[in-house]
Amino acid sequence: GESVGLHLPTLSVQEGDNSIINCAYSNSASDYFIWYKQESGKGPQFIIDIRSNMDKRQGQRVTVLLNKTVKHLSLQIAATQPGDSAVYFCAGPYKRALTFGSGTRLQVQP
Amino acid sequence: DTAVSQTPKYLVTQMGNDKSIKCEQNLGHDTMYWYKQDSKKFLKIMFSYNNKELIINETVPNRFSPKSPDKAHLNLHINSLELGDSAVYFCASSRQSLETQYFGPGTRLLVL
Repeated sequence: GESVGLHLPTLSVQEGDNSIINCAYSNSASDYFIWYKQESGKGPQFIIDIRSNMDKRQGQRVTVLLNKTVKHLSLQIAATQPGDSAVYFCAGPYKRALTFGSGTRLQVQP
Repeated sequence: DTAVSQTPKYLVTQMGNDKSIKCEQNLGHDTMYWYKQDSKKFLKIMFSYNNKELIINETVPNRFSPKSPDKAHLNLHINSLELGDSAVYFCASSRQSLETQYFGPGTRLLVL
C-alpha cells in the first residue's frame, strides 16, 4: 500500500525566513497529495493539495512542489510567522481514505 | 459555524466501560471518516462511510462499531475500553471519497 513519510521530525526557523518541509512517498501511482497543518489541541487543517499532473502549486505564502521522478514533495512557507508553528503532515491516497506521514514540527523562533 | 464537530472534546473513563463519540458535519459531504492519532502523532484511518454505507474498515477490533444514521452524522461506539484505546479520535468528511478531507477538533480519550 501507499506510505508517506517526512524527513525531519523537527524544523526550527527564524521568523521571517522561508521554511521547507519535505515528504517522500512510495507508490508511484499516487495521484493526489495534501498538506495539513495541525496546531496543538486542534484537528488537522487543510493547507494545499496537488495532483500528479502538476509539479508545482502555489497558495497564499505556501508552495507545494512535486517531484514524481524521486517520489518527493515539499511544502515551502514564505516569510514564516509565529502562527505557522505547528505539526505539518503530508498525506496521500490510501484505499479510499488518506495515509499520513509522521509529521514535522515547525518551530518558529522570534 | 463549525464545519465538522465532535462531542465530547474530552473523555476520561475506566477500563471495561462502553463509550460513544459523536460527529456531525454541515458541509453537505457524502463521505465521513474516523481516524485515530496516537501519542506519537501518527494518524491512521479506522473507518469510512459513504452516504451511510461502510466503505473502509481498517482492521479495527470489533469492539469499535461506527454508526451512520444519516450522511451528516458518523458516531463511534467503543465497547470494553482498553488502556491502548487512549488516543485522540478525529472525525473527517469529504465531498466524495478521494477528495480533500476536513477534520473535526478531535476527541481526547483517556482510559484509566
